[in-house]
Amino acid sequence: DQQVKQNSPSLSVQEGRISILNCDYTNSMFDYFLWYKKYPAEGPTFLISISSIKDKNEDGRFTVFLNKSAKHLSLHIVPSQPGDSAVYFCAASAAAGSQGNLIFGKGTKLSVKP
Amino acid sequence: EPEVTQTPSHQVTQMGQEVILRCVPISNHLYFYWYRQILGQKVEFLVSFYNNEISEKSEIFDDQFSVERPDGSNFTLKIRSTKLEDSAMYFCASSWDRARGYTFGSGTRLTVV
Repeated sequence: DQQVKQNSPSLSVQEGRISILNCDYTNSMFDYFLWYKKYPAEGPTFLISISSIKDKNEDGRFTVFLNKSAKHLSLHIVPSQPGDSAVYFCAASAAAGSQGNLIFGKGTKLSVKP
Repeated sequence: EPEVTQTPSHQVTQMGQEVILRCVPISNHLYFYWYRQILGQKVEFLVSFYNNEISEKSEIFDDQFSVERPDGSNFTLKIRSTKLEDSAMYFCASSWDRARGYTFGSGTRLTVV
């Protein structure tokens, strides 16, 4: 049972344009959401997070939007750069009774073309 | 920038052998984790460790797996009798608190032959 779903395995975007990566979740107990970026042969790198009490969090070129009623979040990258090309993982955790263990989606491979 | 260090980067072992994967988390972090990623699949939670004991573990983390923090700096994952399906990238991670996300190591690629 996939609790965190990233339905697009890949996305290709032109440099300078917006990249929008989507993520859906099924567990209503999730209250904390994170995006990680992963290059080949490296571990995931934390990008940005959002708590369920917010609907938007921004950090430089990266913005995460949360729609709790739809159980949907998205990561916007503006403007996209070739160095953003990587696999992006959405992750979620539930606070109650846990240490915040993350449930990951399968990832979306972003390719930013010059 | 502080790092989580994992050794070795690649380990090849025969089926049935014991392996120990080593990690040095960031020194002031309190929570420690092991995750794994089988080739082509998603990153999966294995175990979390806090205050010198396991705080949570997944169904994957059966009796063949164990973790230890033997000396206050290292955090190890032991697989007692490896199976072919244990072949994966194993990632160690540590965190101070959830709001800052985890810091992952570069991973150990375990190949069981």
